[in-house]
Amino acid sequence: GAGVSQSPRYKVAKRGQDVALRCDPISGHVSLFWYQQALGQGPEFLTYFQNEAQLDKSGLPSDRFFAERPEGSVSTLKIQRTQQEDSAVYLCASSTRSGYGYTFGSGTRLTVV
Amino acid sequence: DQQVKQNSPSLSVQEGRISILNCDYTNSMFDYFLWYKKYPAEGPTFLISISSIKDKNEDGRFTVFLNKSAKHLSLHIVPSQPGDSAVYFCADAGGTSYGKLTFGQGTILTVHP
Repeated sequence: GAGVSQSPRYKVAKRGQDVALRCDPISGHVSLFWYQQALGQGPEFLTYFQNEAQLDKSGLPSDRFFAERPEGSVSTLKIQRTQQEDSAVYLCASSTRSGYGYTFGSGTRLTVV
Repeated sequence: DQQVKQNSPSLSVQEGRISILNCDYTNSMFDYFLWYKKYPAEGPTFLISISSIKDKNEDGRFTVFLNKSAKHLSLHIVPSQPGDSAVYFCADAGGTSYGKLTFGQGTILTVHP
């Protein structure tokens, strides 16, 4: 497609439930990023992939967060045993290798109740 | 650690007047910054960037100024239009070779007709 697609758009999870958030980047985009945006804050970096390689996961807040991109295209962010503080919008962005031409998806709004 | 601060949570401007959004930063490695605009329920979209070799970059109604000695940048929108009403984020893109972004908290701009 023409843009970065994220699904689902909204997710309500009960505390303790596992969730999986999907990102379909722009075709051919090598770089893929995940960001977390809490209410009233700017996006915060979670992790970065170059093709299928996860080169930076320094922003993942705990070992309950796991991201993968097994074939270098679609990526999944998984959160195990969700907590209320995980409630946020999760943004995916992709870009070409060479520059900072990030295109962001519309995000997945996760609410943990 | 890199830090980016937008100290004004909101700004209200009359249509046709100038909007000035401010951003302060610390510990930027390469002094390369971007401004993003975000509408509700959408992902951030790239607006304009500036690198350390310049102190000004202009694109239509949008101009970004960089003051490296003061570690300050600003975005000027002239003339402001109601469609400019959105949340504006500045971001430091200079921390890594692959363009990891450190965002400010955002400023909500409202342009009144």
